Amino acid sequence: DIQMTQSPSSVSASVGDRVTITCRASQTMASWLAWYQQKPGKAPTLLIYAASTLQSGVPSRFSGSGSGTDFTLTISSLQPEDSAFYYCHQARSFPPTFGQGTRLEIK
Amino acid sequence: QLQLQESGPGLVKPSETLSLTCTVSGDSISSGPYFWGWIRQSPGKGLEWIGSISYSGSTYYNPSLKSRVTKSLDTSKNQFFLELRSVTAADTAVYYCARHSNGWYEATYDYWGQGTLVTVSS
Repeated sequence: DIQMTQSPSSVSASVGDRVTITCRASQTMASWLAWYQQKPGKAPTLLIYAASTLQSGVPSRFSGSGSGTDFTLTISSLQPEDSAFYYCHQARSFPPTFGQGTRLEIK
Repeated sequence: QLQLQESGPGLVKPSETLSLTCTVSGDSISSGPYFWGWIRQSPGKGLEWIGSISYSGSTYYNPSLKSRVTKSLDTSKNQFFLELRSVTAADTAVYYCARHSNGWYEATYDYWGQGTLVTVSS
């Protein structure tokens, strides 16, 4: 199975900060990766797919980039409602797998 | 607005079968071209894809669970189902049902149920 390693595992930042989360795959994913946001007690919600395509309705402060084995999720100006867990997800190699998650806290 | 809702027992005994139902409202599961999947989340293993079934009944299972999993659907009731046999404590998790596109390949899960906690314990 493809291993997805996220870093950092936890980050704390202030409102207005730029935050970057990284996901590294154990094998190349070409340019396909998805990012999900999960708030406590809720199901994950899709933020980005195909590495950089923003899901409909997701604020433009979220962006994704990367290809091959290294991908990033960037929040350009952190908002209080962005406090959540973030997961990367690969569905290019069977079986699909998820990263272990990054906890984002607001200072 | 599409909605998914998981249901089933919250407690299952070791070695028994975990059975969950996902009821879909707001659209027909047989209208295509979507797939209907199950994903679980446990503290120890994080998010884990279990498997998916298409509107036509094609199935894909995670190899790590394939020998114990069966998925099916009932289009007349707009429901799809998960059976996981011979459960152990390692199967304790929150189980989510979700809609996605593209089979498993490049699947994007755009609608999710709220999740249901299943505990395996005697």
